[in-house]
Amino acid sequence: EDQVTQSPEALRLQEGESSSLNCSYTVSGLRGLFWYRQDPGKGPEFLFTLYSAGEEKEKERLKATLTKKESFLHITAPKPEDSATYLCAVNGNAGNMLTFGGGTRLMVKP
Amino acid sequence: KAGVTQTPRYLIKTRGQQVTLSCSPISGHRSVSWYQQTPGQGLQFLFEYFSETQRNKGNFPGRFSGRQFSNSRSEMNVSTLELGDSALYLCASSPEGRYGSPLHFGNGTRLTVT
Repeated sequence: EDQVTQSPEALRLQEGESSSLNCSYTVSGLRGLFWYRQDPGKGPEFLFTLYSAGEEKEKERLKATLTKKESFLHITAPKPEDSATYLCAVNGNAGNMLTFGGGTRLMVKP
Repeated sequence: KAGVTQTPRYLIKTRGQQVTLSCSPISGHRSVSWYQQTPGQGLQFLFEYFSETQRNKGNFPGRFSGRQFSNSRSEMNVSTLELGDSALYLCASSPEGRYGSPLHFGNGTRLTVT
């Protein structure tokens, strides 16, 4: 059974204070690891897909990396508008379903 | 391109009733998946439809069912509602539903069971 664990559950940062979110996973046959952002009252918004260890993707202040056991979402010089819940999910061998972690709630104070 | 549209946005139902939720995928997307999101369990997979056929099903009781129409629109139904069914129900679509392709989510239907 695929499993995803995210840490920390919540993270408070000052504006400009860089940090990283962790996603540890176990999966039989990784077909893709996904990062999503979810704002209150909205559905998850797709950010990145990573397929193999060593792969990296960047978008504005966000950078996602992947190893064989975990993924990191690095946030560089965050702004208050980066405040949201960040979700990690994996697609393994069980068809097209995603298994999600519990998310990290990020709060960036001005 | 319009995103995934879910209706209604909010629903309040009583225990024992049944409910139908609707989802219109992104134009051209043929795969539709449904997820349940609760504070305690997070996001959990319900089922996936592709070309009007259920391809995959999560670990939910038979009270949860769905279907997909020829235009790729999808509905999910929950019968004999229980208090624990209160959740945000999210629909997601992808072009072909290939393994490893990202899902695009709607903003969900918030179901409250009293």
